[in-house]
Amino acid sequence: DTGVSQNPRHKITKRGQNVTFRCDPISEHNRLYWYRQTLGQGPEFLTYFQNEAQLEKSRLLSDRFSAERPKGSFSTLEIQRTEQGDSAMYLCASSPRDRDYEQYFGPGTRLTVT
Amino acid sequence: AQKVTQAQTEISVVEKEDVTLDCVYETRDTTYYLFWYKQPPSGELVFLIRRNSFDEQNEISGRYSWNFQKSTSSFNFTITASQVVDSAVYFCALSEVYGNKLVFGAGTILRVKS
Repeated sequence: DTGVSQNPRHKITKRGQNVTFRCDPISEHNRLYWYRQTLGQGPEFLTYFQNEAQLEKSRLLSDRFSAERPKGSFSTLEIQRTEQGDSAMYLCASSPRDRDYEQYFGPGTRLTVT
Repeated sequence: AQKVTQAQTEISVVEKEDVTLDCVYETRDTTYYLFWYKQPPSGELVFLIRRNSFDEQNEISGRYSWNFQKSTSSFNFTITASQVVDSAVYFCALSEVYGNKLVFGAGTILRVKS
């Protein structure tokens, strides 16, 4: 099985620019999660989808952040008007229907806002 | 609110030593799941184990063992006869039953020296 893939792996952007990340979950995994990890900390939950429905969003997900999973397969996370505080590793995970507690993580997208 | 505390920021051991990573959690839920993940230098989080709150049996898998004590809200992880390849950041995490979003601790950096 191919694992969770994320693109790009690294993104450097200037403050104020918009960025979009993509996550491709493991095939047929119905749940997809986004987390953010800053240096020296554990991942923090941002949002999750069951199929195409976005079921929960963290308070960390300000109105500059939006996530979609239009066909219940891949997902995108967009950050508008990036700020330096958005610099972090953005992690995606997916879980299968019959073991929804078991999340498989991708390699992450490291965002640096200059 | 749920919270996970990993008081040990960094541990260094010499190869073949046993090492225990501590995890203390807080939750108001009576049913919940506990997890350990490994994050090697490559960055990808690797699932190690899940326990549910009703199952306090200790578990052993090869050189890894886990001790879950509900009375002290702890879920500690022991690596026996550590190896250099065990060097990584280890995260303890907690989730409610529904939704499965993970709440992570800050992680413990384990350095195993040869």
